Amino acid sequence: QVQLVQSGAEVRKPGASVKVSCKASGYTFSNYPIHWVRQAPGQGLEWLGTINPSGGSTSYLQRFQGRFTMTRDTSTSTVYMELISLKSEDTAVYYCTREEYGEFYFDYWGQGTLVTVSS
Amino acid sequence: SSELTQDPAVSVALGQTVRITCQGDSLRYYFASWYQQKPGQAPVLVIYTENNRPSGIPDRFSGSSSGNTASLTITEAQAEDEADYYCSSRDSSGNHRVFGTGTKVTVL
Repeated sequence: QVQLVQSGAEVRKPGASVKVSCKASGYTFSNYPIHWVRQAPGQGLEWLGTINPSGGSTSYLQRFQGRFTMTRDTSTSTVYMELISLKSEDTAVYYCTREEYGEFYFDYWGQGTLVTVSS
Repeated sequence: SSELTQDPAVSVALGQTVRITCQGDSLRYYFASWYQQKPGQAPVLVIYTENNRPSGIPDRFSGSSSGNTASLTITEAQAEDEADYYCSSRDSSGNHRVFGTGTKVTVL
């Protein structure tokens, strides 16, 4: 069965960086784009960006350009999200989610990773 | 700021019907999908490509669209349908994705 399993919760100080992983299983990794979505406490869902596991191309929300990087390791079917220069406003649950290629909907989600930024 | 706007909250009596709307210019060109999220859980896809249900989603969930508005209808709402609901689509550029502001559904 399709699964996206994310790494555990992280606590960082302002200005630090964090890297969260998302390991895919149960399907052909290279065939489905992976997206990252975050949810601040008590807030709605915010799309952050996407990576095509096949060629590694990425696309990010404009306001995160330069702070947000997605990479993938095809040998382990894992996608990584790294956010640098953390601010308290980056405190959120970060989700990875799979998109049906060319269909523009998210059919499977990771369990979420809480990133807390606090001094 | 989100390009897709939803009413913040709606309530529905047990067994009655509720419609949740999502408005945005990009919906004139792209289909919406809908997600249910319960407290402390990841979102779950309930409707995709306007009015298709994934396996396991009850047929009381249905979708529709007209112009710049997409709608999710829950017919004969059950207690377990109480949750936050989000629409999603491509943004106006077509290159990125966007989520609606979310609607909290309370079943009375």
